[in-house]
Amino acid sequence: NAGVMQNPRHLVRRRGQEARLRCSPMKGHSHVYWYRQLPEEGLKFMVYLQKENIIDESGMPKERFSAEFPKEGPSILRIQQVVRGDSAAYFCASSLVRDNNNEQFFGPGTRLTVL
Amino acid sequence: LAKTTQPISMDSYEGQEVNITCSHNNIATNDYITWYQQFPSQGPRFIIQGYKTKVTNEVASLFIPADRKSSTLSLPRVSLSDTAVYYCLVGDLPVSGGYNKLIFGAGTRLAVHP
Repeated sequence: NAGVMQNPRHLVRRRGQEARLRCSPMKGHSHVYWYRQLPEEGLKFMVYLQKENIIDESGMPKERFSAEFPKEGPSILRIQQVVRGDSAAYFCASSLVRDNNNEQFFGPGTRLTVL
Repeated sequence: LAKTTQPISMDSYEGQEVNITCSHNNIATNDYITWYQQFPSQGPRFIIQGYKTKVTNEVASLFIPADRKSSTLSLPRVSLSDTAVYYCLVGDLPVSGGYNKLIFGAGTRLAVHP
């Protein structure tokens, strides 16, 4: 059973370009979380999605950021018109929420660098 | 959500036992204590979770006193590969069908030396 997969692992963009980060959850998992991590800091929650639904986007900036988790295919975190402050590691986690077992399994992350 | 306080960094040597203590004075009745480990350039990995007293698995032990205002992650006989950042998280498990957005602090950077 493959773990959570994220691609690309490294992404370089110039200011004003768009960044698309992909996350394939573990097989059978239908719950996806996105987190952002700045250097020397802990992860910060951004958004929680189930298939075709955004459940909680309270941690996501209101502008330029969007996320989706379609019925088929990976979850996408999209950042439009990137700025230098968007440079960070973006982690995706998936879980299988059943009873009280909601352990989140994290992917390796995508490191975004904005020039 | 309960705030957690951990040491910023710790140093140890191979073969020693390492204890990392986390303070969570405002822990709520429904809150569980969870520890994650993060290696450089990787996502966090669940280590252990507990509610009270002691929990042990193949990786670590978690000690929680009766007042639950602190907890201690114990790593027996550490090796170089245990060098990582360790995060203490406090939050309630959701009821069935719910979800749990994890709140990470800055963590404790453990460096294990030869």
